[in-house]
Amino acid sequence: AQSVTQLGSHVSVSEGALVLLRCNYSSSVPPYLFWYVQYPNQGLQLLLKYTSAATLVKGINGFEAEFKKSETSFHLTKPSAHMSDAAEYFCAVSDWQYGNKLVFGAGTILRVKS
Amino acid sequence: ETGVTQTPRHLVMGMTNKKSLKCEQHLGHNAMYWYKQSAKKPLELMFVYNFKEQTENNSVPSRFSPECPNSSHLFLHLHTLQPEDSALYLCASSQGTSGVNTGELFFGEGSRLTVL
Repeated sequence: AQSVTQLGSHVSVSEGALVLLRCNYSSSVPPYLFWYVQYPNQGLQLLLKYTSAATLVKGINGFEAEFKKSETSFHLTKPSAHMSDAAEYFCAVSDWQYGNKLVFGAGTILRVKS
Repeated sequence: ETGVTQTPRHLVMGMTNKKSLKCEQHLGHNAMYWYKQSAKKPLELMFVYNFKEQTENNSVPSRFSPECPNSSHLFLHLHTLQPEDSALYLCASSQGTSGVNTGELFFGEGSRLTVL
């Protein structure tokens, strides 16, 4: 079965610093990959997705992620953190072998210090 | 209205009460989902409906009773809940559960449930 590992349940960065949230996946076939963001007491909102087109995917709010098949990774980055980026981020994977059912990682809480 | 709408946003109930959570999607999707999100725990998939037929029930206690009258509406009926059922309940929808669907889910804002 496919799975997702998010390294670091909490990440803290200074405002203006690089944001790097790590995600590694396990899938026996080419996957679809997603990053979602959740602000307090809200639902999950799609940040970006990889669906087998360009390996570098740009999303909303200045975030981007790169699909690296050799490393089975889909890390999320943003060049300069803003206070409003403080939230929980979820990586997710799906593949056709399992009916494209979405499997989520445990989440990473991003804290942005002023 | 657009997207996925959940009501109520907040609900407080006693252990002997009966209440319902409602979800409505305006995206023309065929599949709907209930997730439970508790503090310090991963997202838990509870139920999946595809074309209003239940396709997945992840060993959810019978005090949670889902209902899907059509592809646009999903309910979660609650009765004799326990304090540990307090959580954020998220509804989601997708194009379907097979075929060209990528698996992308569209979430509502959630219903925050507190059981006293």
